[in-house]
Amino acid sequence: GDSVTQMEGPVTLSEEAFLTINCTYTATGYPSLFWYVQYPGEGLQLLLKATKADDKGSNKGFEATYRKETTSFHLEKGSVQVSDSAVYFCALSDLRGGKLIFGQGTELSVKP
Amino acid sequence: GAVVSQHPSRVICKSGTSVKIECRSLDFQATTMFWYRQFPKQSLMLMATSNEGSKATYEQGVEKDKFLINHASLTLSTLTVTSAHPEDSSFYICSATRQLEKLFFGSGTQLSVL
Repeated sequence: GDSVTQMEGPVTLSEEAFLTINCTYTATGYPSLFWYVQYPGEGLQLLLKATKADDKGSNKGFEATYRKETTSFHLEKGSVQVSDSAVYFCALSDLRGGKLIFGQGTELSVKP
Repeated sequence: GAVVSQHPSRVICKSGTSVKIECRSLDFQATTMFWYRQFPKQSLMLMATSNEGSKATYEQGVEKDKFLINHASLTLSTLTVTSAHPEDSSFYICSATRQLEKLFFGSGTQLSVL
């Protein structure tokens, strides 16, 4: 079945460092891809999404490009802030059923 | 933006008791709600899909008699963990959508069964 694999955390970075969180997927069809963020004590929030190959999702300085050839959707940010400390989840959905399949989450900790 | 309210945020109960968790869509009618379970340091696992006015569809391996889901209105779905045991301790989170458009998540419920 469909699945999502993320790089393991925790990831610890200094403020203003470059961030990459790897995400690869396995899917039989052509899913939409998402990054969700979960701040401490809060629910998940959609960070960005891409619905077809070569699409780039972006929000709050974060970017991810839907790469069909490598089945990847890596999350990047050029300069992280302490406020970016959270758990990041990569997910896919075939939209037909509306169900999301999540990766295991990657905890990011940004130090001042 | 759309808001999904989940209550309670934290519950501690004795083994053998039942616990009800509510998920409300505050400013839209949610035709479909999803219930997820998250173990520490692990991903969210879909438990069931709930459509208003019909029986929930459970994922493989989820006991429907233990995890009762009711979606009686377009703004409310409930998950009842019946005869809870320590292994049911987990973080439960709901999400809601209108016509399979964007998904909105509740803030989750941390269940601890003693």
